Amino acid sequence: EAQVTQNPRYLITVTGKKLTVTCSQNMNHEYMSWYRQDPGLGLRQIYYSMNVEVTDKGDVPEGYKVSRKEKRNFPLILESPSPNQTSLYFCASTETRTAPYEQYFGPGTRLTVT
Amino acid sequence: EDQVTQSPEALRLQEGESSSLNCSYTVSGLRGLFWYRQDPGKGPEFLFTLYSAGEEKEKERLKATLTKKESFLHITAPKPEDSATYLCAAATSGGYNKLIFGAGTRLAVHP
Repeated sequence: EAQVTQNPRYLITVTGKKLTVTCSQNMNHEYMSWYRQDPGLGLRQIYYSMNVEVTDKGDVPEGYKVSRKEKRNFPLILESPSPNQTSLYFCASTETRTAPYEQYFGPGTRLTVT
Repeated sequence: EDQVTQSPEALRLQEGESSSLNCSYTVSGLRGLFWYRQDPGKGPEFLFTLYSAGEEKEKERLKATLTKKESFLHITAPKPEDSATYLCAAATSGGYNKLIFGAGTRLAVHP
């Protein structure tokens, strides 16, 4: 089954404690990205990757890092989380680097930073 | 600045009562207009892509249309299982596959 998986699904942590949210897709997609979803603001892109070892900032990259060492995986790293990073996070992937085809979203990770 | 606005924020319908959701966009070079459905606690699920003004797509009780300034998602004779948040997103010429999302319309269909 074609899918995007994320782990963990729920995470409660404290300010400053480094964490990683994993994302993996089994569709051999080149393009992957991370979004955060906040009430009234919609989904906003954090980082994206057009291929292995190629990443770039989205609209709200401050406080986040990413890496793309393998085509299927695109982890999101919060080196020093703060309460304003409390949000619902989604990983997404699509098959091409340039054409606007539909993106497949993971189930989401709900992060709470106290 | 690229912007996507959805209205209404919330919509309550009786089962069988048809209606439309609106998505207006102001973007630099629209390359595609997407509609997604999102159920509580889940990721967005793809519904439609529209690429040019005048284009229409249909799936069961849903029909999406596109003009040069806005898109509509028409829901004909909705059922309770159509209750969800519907998201509209634009892909622009400046952003590769980045999607600019609207805040969504929460639809509740009551029996």
